[in-house]
Amino acid sequence: DGGITQSPKYLFRKEGQNVTLSCEQNLNHDAMYWYRQDPGQGLRLIYYSQIVNDFQKGDIAEGYSVSREKKESFPLTVTSAQKNPTAFYLCASSIARRTGAPHTDTQYFGPGTRLTVL
Amino acid sequence: AQSVTQPDIHITVSEGASLELRCNYSYGATPYLFWYVQSPGQGLQLLLKYFSGDTLVQGIKGFEAEFKRSQSSFNLRKPSVHWSDAAEYFCAVGAGRDDKIIFGKGTRLHILP
Repeated sequence: DGGITQSPKYLFRKEGQNVTLSCEQNLNHDAMYWYRQDPGQGLRLIYYSQIVNDFQKGDIAEGYSVSREKKESFPLTVTSAQKNPTAFYLCASSIARRTGAPHTDTQYFGPGTRLTVL
Repeated sequence: AQSVTQPDIHITVSEGASLELRCNYSYGATPYLFWYVQSPGQGLQLLLKYFSGDTLVQGIKGFEAEFKRSQSSFNLRKPSVHWSDAAEYFCAVGAGRDDKIIFGKGTRLHILP
């Protein structure tokens, strides 16, 4: 079955530690996204990547880092510089980027990872 | 820049009653509009989307939405809700040339038996 997987589902971290969240897709999508979700805040974009080896900061990139070495994978690292990392993290992908065109592609979401800092 | 407002944080309806969830957007041209649903602790699932053409859009699970340019709205409707519709619903707009979608803050739907 095609889809997006995120692991782990639950993650606990001590303050001062970096942690990496996994996101893998087998939909052959070019674009991938990371969102953070907090109660009452909706989804806020952290980073996105339109092609391999390229990514852009979203609205709340501070304290996070990403890589896009493979089309299928877009891991997110939550660094110790992120002041309030406890949240629900969602990864998404969409089929393709069309240069100069407005974003119209449906985004498909993974099941999410809940990160708790102890 | 585009923006999305969902005026209702919580909505409660009885099972079998009709439903309308409100969504207002701000954008200078015709936006691309989406409704997603999220069950607790899960990812988001697309219900429907509007790009152009017929302003009444049919989606999955019996939902529909109507694009009204004059009101800058894209309200989601369902004629008869089921207990399984209890979830959080997000309206989203994609309009810029930077491949980003802007999400509203969501409306949580509660169903009374």
